[in-house]
Amino acid sequence: GAGVSQTPSNKVTEKGKYVELRCDPISGHTALYWYRQSLGQGPEFLIYFQGTGAADDSGLPNDRFFAVRPEGSVSTLKIQRTERGDSAVYLCASSLGLARGELFFGEGSRLTVL
Amino acid sequence: DQQVKQNSPSLSVQEGRISILNCDYTNSMFDYFLWYKKYPAEGPTFLISISSIKDKNEDGRFTVFLNKSAKHLSLHIVPSQPGDSAVYFCAASRNYGGATNKLIFGTGTLLAVQP
Repeated sequence: GAGVSQTPSNKVTEKGKYVELRCDPISGHTALYWYRQSLGQGPEFLIYFQGTGAADDSGLPNDRFFAVRPEGSVSTLKIQRTERGDSAVYLCASSLGLARGELFFGEGSRLTVL
Repeated sequence: DQQVKQNSPSLSVQEGRISILNCDYTNSMFDYFLWYKKYPAEGPTFLISISSIKDKNEDGRFTVFLNKSAKHLSLHIVPSQPGDSAVYFCAASRNYGGATNKLIFGTGTLLAVQP
Protein backbone atom coordinates (compact mmCIF):
# COMPACT_ATOMS: atom_id res chain seq x y z
CA GLY A 1 0.00 0.00 0.00
CA ALA A 2 0.94 3.62 -0.32
CA GLY A 3 0.84 4.49 3.36
CA VAL A 4 1.80 3.07 6.74
CA SER A 5 -0.49 0.18 7.58
CA GLN A 6 -1.28 -0.87 11.16
CA THR A 7 -3.19 -3.90 12.37
CA PRO A 8 -5.39 -4.44 14.21
CA SER A 9 -7.15 -1.10 14.13
CA ASN A 10 -8.86 -1.98 17.40
CA LYS A 11 -7.93 -4.47 20.08
CA VAL A 12 -9.82 -5.17 23.29
CA THR A 13 -8.12 -7.44 25.78
CA GLU A 14 -8.26 -8.35 29.41
CA LYS A 15 -5.79 -7.30 32.04
CA GLY A 16 -2.84 -9.66 32.15
CA LYS A 17 -3.07 -10.81 28.53
CA TYR A 18 -0.40 -10.59 25.84
CA VAL A 19 -0.88 -8.31 22.82
CA GLU A 20 0.91 -7.86 19.51
CA LEU A 21 0.47 -4.82 17.29
CA ARG A 22 1.79 -4.83 13.74
CA CYS A 23 3.13 -2.06 11.55
CA ASP A 24 3.88 -2.22 7.83
CA PRO A 25 5.84 0.92 6.85
CA ILE A 26 6.00 2.68 3.53
CA SER A 27 8.12 0.69 1.12
CA GLY A 28 11.70 1.90 1.10
CA HIS A 29 11.51 3.70 4.43
CA THR A 30 14.40 2.57 6.57
CA ALA A 31 13.40 4.32 9.79
CA LEU A 32 10.39 3.14 11.79
CA TYR A 33 8.95 4.68 14.95
CA TRP A 34 6.41 3.64 17.55
CA TYR A 35 4.49 6.26 19.49
CA ARG A 36 1.72 5.99 22.04
CA GLN A 37 -1.09 8.50 22.35
CA SER A 38 -3.19 8.53 25.50
CA LEU A 39 -6.46 10.40 25.75
CA GLY A 40 -5.93 14.16 25.74
CA GLN A 41 -2.20 13.87 25.15
CA GLY A 42 0.12 14.20 22.21
CA PRO A 43 1.97 11.21 20.76
CA GLU A 44 4.69 9.97 23.09
CA PHE A 45 7.85 8.40 21.66
CA LEU A 46 8.43 4.73 22.49
CA ILE A 47 11.10 3.30 20.19
CA TYR A 48 12.68 3.74 16.81
CA PHE A 49 14.41 1.40 14.40
CA GLN A 50 16.97 2.13 11.76
CA GLY A 51 16.90 -0.99 9.62
CA THR A 52 16.59 -4.08 11.81
CA GLY A 53 18.09 -2.68 14.97
CA ALA A 54 16.40 -0.68 17.70
CA ALA A 55 18.50 2.47 17.68
CA ASP A 56 16.66 4.15 20.54
CA ASP A 57 14.25 2.40 22.90
CA SER A 58 14.41 5.01 25.64
CA GLY A 59 10.66 5.64 25.48
CA LEU A 60 9.54 2.12 26.32
CA PRO A 61 7.84 2.49 29.71
CA ASN A 62 9.01 -0.82 31.21
CA ASP A 63 10.16 -4.31 30.34
CA ARG A 64 6.64 -5.47 29.51
CA PHE A 65 7.02 -3.61 26.22
CA PHE A 66 9.18 -4.97 23.43
CA ALA A 67 9.40 -4.34 19.69
CA VAL A 68 11.07 -6.15 16.83
CA ARG A 69 11.76 -5.52 13.17
CA PRO A 70 13.53 -8.70 12.06
CA GLU A 71 13.80 -8.02 8.34
CA GLY A 72 13.99 -4.26 8.38
CA SER A 73 10.44 -3.75 7.17
CA VAL A 74 7.43 -4.90 9.20
CA SER A 75 7.61 -4.25 12.93
CA THR A 76 5.70 -5.78 15.83
CA LEU A 77 5.14 -4.10 19.18
CA LYS A 78 4.62 -6.67 21.91
CA ILE A 79 3.05 -5.97 25.27
CA GLN A 80 3.12 -8.59 27.99
CA ARG A 81 0.85 -8.78 31.05
CA THR A 82 -1.22 -5.85 29.87
CA GLU A 83 -2.48 -3.33 32.40
CA ARG A 84 -5.40 -0.93 32.20
CA GLY A 85 -2.93 1.95 31.97
CA ASP A 86 -1.66 0.53 28.67
CA SER A 87 -4.94 1.54 27.03
CA ALA A 88 -4.05 4.06 24.30
CA VAL A 89 -3.70 4.48 20.56
CA TYR A 90 -0.40 3.04 19.39
CA LEU A 91 0.91 4.90 16.37
CA CYS A 92 3.54 3.70 13.97
CA ALA A 93 5.44 6.04 11.66
CA SER A 94 8.14 5.66 9.07
CA SER A 95 10.57 7.94 7.30
CA LEU A 96 13.20 7.68 4.61
CA GLY A 97 16.03 7.79 7.10
CA LEU A 98 17.56 9.90 9.77
CA ALA A 99 17.63 13.05 7.71
CA ARG A 100 15.37 15.77 9.00
CA GLY A 101 11.94 15.53 7.58
CA GLU A 102 8.45 14.43 8.14
CA LEU A 103 7.32 11.20 9.68
CA PHE A 104 4.48 9.40 7.93
CA PHE A 105 2.04 8.02 10.47
CA GLY A 106 -0.38 5.14 10.24
CA GLU A 107 -3.93 5.37 11.55
CA GLY A 108 -2.97 3.68 14.77
CA SER A 109 -4.06 0.64 16.76
CA ARG A 110 -6.46 1.44 19.56
CA LEU A 111 -5.77 -0.83 22.52
CA THR A 112 -8.32 -1.16 25.30
CA VAL A 113 -7.39 -3.18 28.37
CA LEU A 114 -10.38 -4.13 30.50
CA ASP B 1 8.24 17.31 32.37
CA GLN B 2 6.42 18.68 29.34
CA GLN B 3 9.13 19.98 27.01
CA VAL B 4 6.67 21.11 24.34
CA LYS B 5 3.57 22.92 25.51
CA GLN B 6 0.39 23.94 23.76
CA ASN B 7 -1.49 25.89 26.37
CA SER B 8 -4.70 26.37 24.40
CA PRO B 9 -6.67 23.13 24.25
CA SER B 10 -9.09 24.60 21.73
CA LEU B 11 -9.60 27.50 19.37
CA SER B 12 -12.66 28.62 17.40
CA VAL B 13 -12.34 30.86 14.35
CA GLN B 14 -14.68 32.12 11.67
CA GLU B 15 -14.16 30.94 8.12
CA GLY B 16 -11.94 33.34 6.19
CA ARG B 17 -10.27 34.75 9.29
CA ILE B 18 -6.79 34.02 10.58
CA SER B 19 -6.13 31.09 12.91
CA ILE B 20 -3.11 31.41 15.21
CA LEU B 21 -1.95 28.35 17.11
CA ASN B 22 0.78 28.72 19.68
CA CYS B 23 3.48 26.45 21.03
CA ASP B 24 6.17 26.91 23.68
CA TYR B 25 9.18 24.74 24.37
CA THR B 26 11.63 24.51 27.21
CA ASN B 27 14.59 22.61 25.77
CA SER B 28 17.03 25.01 24.11
CA MET B 29 18.65 22.06 22.33
CA PHE B 30 15.64 21.66 20.04
CA ASP B 31 16.62 22.79 16.56
CA TYR B 32 13.82 21.58 14.31
CA PHE B 33 10.11 22.12 14.71
CA LEU B 34 7.08 20.70 12.95
CA TRP B 35 3.33 21.05 12.93
CA TYR B 36 1.07 18.05 12.39
CA LYS B 37 -2.65 17.98 11.78
CA LYS B 38 -4.84 15.15 12.97
CA TYR B 39 -8.40 14.28 12.00
CA PRO B 40 -10.43 11.87 14.18
CA ALA B 41 -9.55 8.19 13.67
CA GLU B 42 -6.60 9.08 11.46
CA GLY B 43 -2.89 9.33 12.10
CA PRO B 44 -1.21 12.73 12.29
CA THR B 45 -0.20 14.21 8.94
CA PHE B 46 2.70 16.56 8.42
CA LEU B 47 1.83 20.17 7.73
CA ILE B 48 4.92 22.38 7.85
CA SER B 49 8.32 22.56 9.50
CA ILE B 50 11.00 25.07 10.38
CA SER B 51 14.67 24.83 11.22
CA SER B 52 16.07 26.87 14.08
CA ILE B 53 18.26 28.82 11.65
CA LYS B 54 15.12 30.44 10.26
CA ASP B 55 12.41 32.53 11.86
CA LYS B 56 9.69 32.04 9.28
CA ASN B 57 8.57 29.41 6.81
CA GLU B 58 5.59 29.74 4.53
CA ASP B 59 3.67 27.19 2.51
CA GLY B 60 0.49 28.42 0.90
CA ARG B 61 -2.02 29.36 3.57
CA PHE B 62 0.26 28.09 6.35
CA THR B 63 3.09 30.06 7.94
CA VAL B 64 5.18 29.04 10.91
CA PHE B 65 7.03 31.64 12.95
CA LEU B 66 9.86 30.82 15.33
CA ASN B 67 11.07 33.06 18.15
CA LYS B 68 14.09 31.30 19.59
CA SER B 69 14.76 33.81 22.34
CA ALA B 70 11.24 33.31 23.65
CA LYS B 71 11.26 29.58 22.86
CA HIS B 72 7.98 30.09 21.10
CA LEU B 73 6.54 29.17 17.75
CA SER B 74 3.21 29.78 16.13
CA LEU B 75 1.26 28.51 13.18
CA HIS B 76 -0.80 30.97 11.17
CA ILE B 77 -3.52 29.78 8.83
CA VAL B 78 -4.87 32.43 6.46
CA PRO B 79 -7.63 32.28 5.36
CA SER B 80 -9.07 29.59 7.60
CA GLN B 81 -11.37 27.04 5.99
CA PRO B 82 -13.85 24.59 7.55
CA GLY B 83 -11.67 21.71 6.32
CA ASP B 84 -8.90 23.00 8.57
CA SER B 85 -10.91 21.89 11.60
CA ALA B 86 -8.69 19.32 13.30
CA VAL B 87 -6.29 18.85 16.19
CA TYR B 88 -2.94 20.53 15.57
CA PHE B 89 0.18 19.19 17.25
CA CYS B 90 3.42 21.06 17.62
CA ALA B 91 6.53 18.86 17.67
CA ALA B 92 10.23 19.43 18.20
CA SER B 93 13.43 17.48 17.73
CA ARG B 94 17.12 17.87 18.40
CA ASN B 95 20.22 16.53 16.75
CA TYR B 96 22.25 14.50 19.22
CA GLY B 97 23.90 12.18 16.76
CA GLY B 98 21.16 9.62 17.02
CA ALA B 99 17.54 9.81 16.07
CA THR B 100 17.27 13.28 14.67
CA ASN B 101 13.68 12.50 13.78
CA LYS B 102 12.70 11.58 17.35
CA LEU B 103 9.85 13.99 17.87
CA ILE B 104 8.56 15.40 21.13
CA PHE B 105 4.93 16.42 20.77
CA GLY B 106 2.75 18.94 22.53
CA THR B 107 -0.72 18.04 23.77
CA GLY B 108 -2.48 19.55 20.77
CA THR B 109 -4.96 22.32 20.04
CA LEU B 110 -8.39 21.56 18.63
CA LEU B 111 -9.18 24.09 15.92
CA ALA B 112 -12.80 24.59 14.92
CA VAL B 113 -13.42 26.76 11.86
CA GLN B 114 -17.00 27.94 11.79
CA PRO B 115 -18.64 28.39 8.35
